[in-house]
Amino acid sequence: AQRVTQPEKLLSVFKGAPVELKCNYSYSGSPELFWYVQYSRQRLQLLLRHISRESIKGFTADLNKGETSFHLKKPFAQEEDSAMYYCALSEGADGLTFGKGTHLIIQP
Amino acid sequence: NAGVTQTPKFRVLKTGQSMTLLCAQDMNHEYMYWYRQDPGMGLRLIHYSVGEGTTAKGEVPDGYNVSRLKKQNFLLGLESAAPSQTSVYFCASNDDTGLNEQFFGPGTRLTVL
Repeated sequence: AQRVTQPEKLLSVFKGAPVELKCNYSYSGSPELFWYVQYSRQRLQLLLRHISRESIKGFTADLNKGETSFHLKKPFAQEEDSAMYYCALSEGADGLTFGKGTHLIIQP
Repeated sequence: NAGVTQTPKFRVLKTGQSMTLLCAQDMNHEYMYWYRQDPGMGLRLIHYSVGEGTTAKGEVPDGYNVSRLKKQNFLLGLESAAPSQTSVYFCASNDDTGLNEQFFGPGTRLTVL
């Protein structure tokens, strides 16, 4: 069965410091992975998808099939990055499997 | 373009009461989903639909029913609410282009007393 693991419930870093949110997955097929972000009391919105290999708001994520990981990184954290971050694995039309989320707090 | 909307935004029920949550999307998407979000649990899929008139069970379907009579609407019903169904419910939709990006509604905060 597919599984997405985000080992950190809470991550607190200072403004300007690097950020890495970890995500590991378990999936028998070829994975399609996403990072979603939820700012306080707002709806979830897509941040990144691995097939696009893009950088959004300074965040990047690289799929490492050998380590079955899709960690989210940003070199210099900003206060507006404080939010809940969810790693998710797509099963096509059958929906997304989400990790439990990491609450990122950026301290001034 | 309103995207994905949900009605109501908040609701408080007593144990045993019933209610229906409405999700509507104006993007002509084929696929629609209902998730529940609980602290420390992330989002879990309740039911989903891959087209008008079709529904399927997700990870946590017990206690819920759904209907997709129109392509733009996806209803989630609780026939007899229980305190364990206290949660934030999110609806989402995506198209069938293969990109699999889901668009989420604003959520419905439900409390069952």
